[in-house]
Amino acid sequence: QSALTQPASVSGSPGQSITISCTGTSSDVGGYNYVSWYQQHPGRAPKLMIYDVGYRPSGVSDRFSGSKSDNTASLTISGLQAEDEADYYCSSHTSSATPVFGTGTRVTVL
Amino acid sequence: EVQLVESGGGLVQPGGSLRLSCAASGFTFSDYYINWVRQAPGKGLEWVGRIKTKRNIYTTQYVASVKGRFTISRDDAQNSLYLQMNSLQIEDTAVYYCGRENGYRFDYWGPGTLVTVSS
Repeated sequence: QSALTQPASVSGSPGQSITISCTGTSSDVGGYNYVSWYQQHPGRAPKLMIYDVGYRPSGVSDRFSGSKSDNTASLTISGLQAEDEADYYCSSHTSSATPVFGTGTRVTVL
Repeated sequence: EVQLVESGGGLVQPGGSLRLSCAASGFTFSDYYINWVRQAPGKGLEWVGRIKTKRNIYTTQYVASVKGRFTISRDDAQNSLYLQMNSLQIEDTAVYYCGRENGYRFDYWGPGTLVTVSS
């Protein structure tokens, strides 16, 4: 199972909105509404931000939102803040009944 | 409060073995699939494997690169998860995380334990 494809880096100024893409195939992203997104600060464990494409766990800011179209999922961060600077990973359920992660995106707040 | 804490990492020579543990608390451990995910230095997340519940006959699944070398087990009475790693290779060097699987997401993660394979 190949890793899902994400841009290596995305940047934005405070207050702006940014979108991170996560591209897979019909055997993973396109085949299931089971895409999740994780935020990881340096030296820390990943933190669940979005699950089942567009649902936020309790406690996660509503500035984070998720969507999907065909084989590509997206994470949008609105009102970008300094604390959002981190690595972000998508993950999807696959036809092998196992999960696969994306390649990861470094978000920089300018 | 849900907590997962890994232990057992360290330095091991190529070809050697290591056993990682993951201690769980704050939830009914036996009700959940638990996974191992690793992250090589400066690299992305890689799913390693999972163990299902007793109801699912403790079925295990692994990523191709560790099949036949790694074994996941659990002790529900001790709320613990294990990862037995044999025939370790330099490419296995990583921080290893245990993660609780809830639906099709990992909703809680441990802080991780570092495994370094080097001569």
